[in-house]
Amino acid sequence: AQTVTQSQPEMSVQEAETVTLSCTYDTSESDYYLFWYKQPPSRQMILVIRQEAYKQQNATENRFSVNFQKAAKSFSLKISDSQLGDAAMYFCAYRRTSYDKVIFGPGTSLSVIP
Amino acid sequence: DAGVTQSPTHLIKTRGQQVTLRCSPKSGHDTVSWYQQALGQGPQFIFQYYEEEERQRGNFPDRFSGHQFPNYSSELNVNALLLGDSALYLCASSLGVTTDTQYFGPGTRLTVL
Repeated sequence: AQTVTQSQPEMSVQEAETVTLSCTYDTSESDYYLFWYKQPPSRQMILVIRQEAYKQQNATENRFSVNFQKAAKSFSLKISDSQLGDAAMYFCAYRRTSYDKVIFGPGTSLSVIP
Repeated sequence: DAGVTQSPTHLIKTRGQQVTLRCSPKSGHDTVSWYQQALGQGPQFIFQYYEEEERQRGNFPDRFSGHQFPNYSSELNVNALLLGDSALYLCASSLGVTTDTQYFGPGTRLTVL
């Protein structure tokens, strides 16, 4: 069964600095999708970035980028120029290509220090 | 463009009661998935509806059931509520059963006393 692990329950970063959130996953599939979702106190789960496993190029979305290491089954999220609005729970998630069920990790709580 | 909406926002029930939660998918989406998120944890998949049928189901008992209507909106029903059913219930919509990205609603906070 696929699993997603986030080993950092809590992280903090100074405003304008860079922070990296870690994620590892376990799967026997060769094709799949990986996601980072952000959940602020408002509870709305917001898609931050997605990565297709068959693409070697790391995905980027403005200040957010990933380091996707397929062989190591690692999918870390880098947030550059951190802003106060980045404070939230961040969930790493996995989806097998042929199915739409999303498997979430336990989450990392990110605090941004002014 | 309306996103995913859920109602009610909050709900308080007592053990043994039944509850119905509602979800309207994002405009243009035809697939609805439901997740349970216990406090401090990641969401857990309950089931998915497409073409008014349950297509996939997670590891949840039969007390959890659902329905999808012709307009693609969906309901989640939970019977014989237990204290452990207290959680945030999230609805997510997507287009088709194999598209890779789901869009989430704000959730319904259910408290069972």
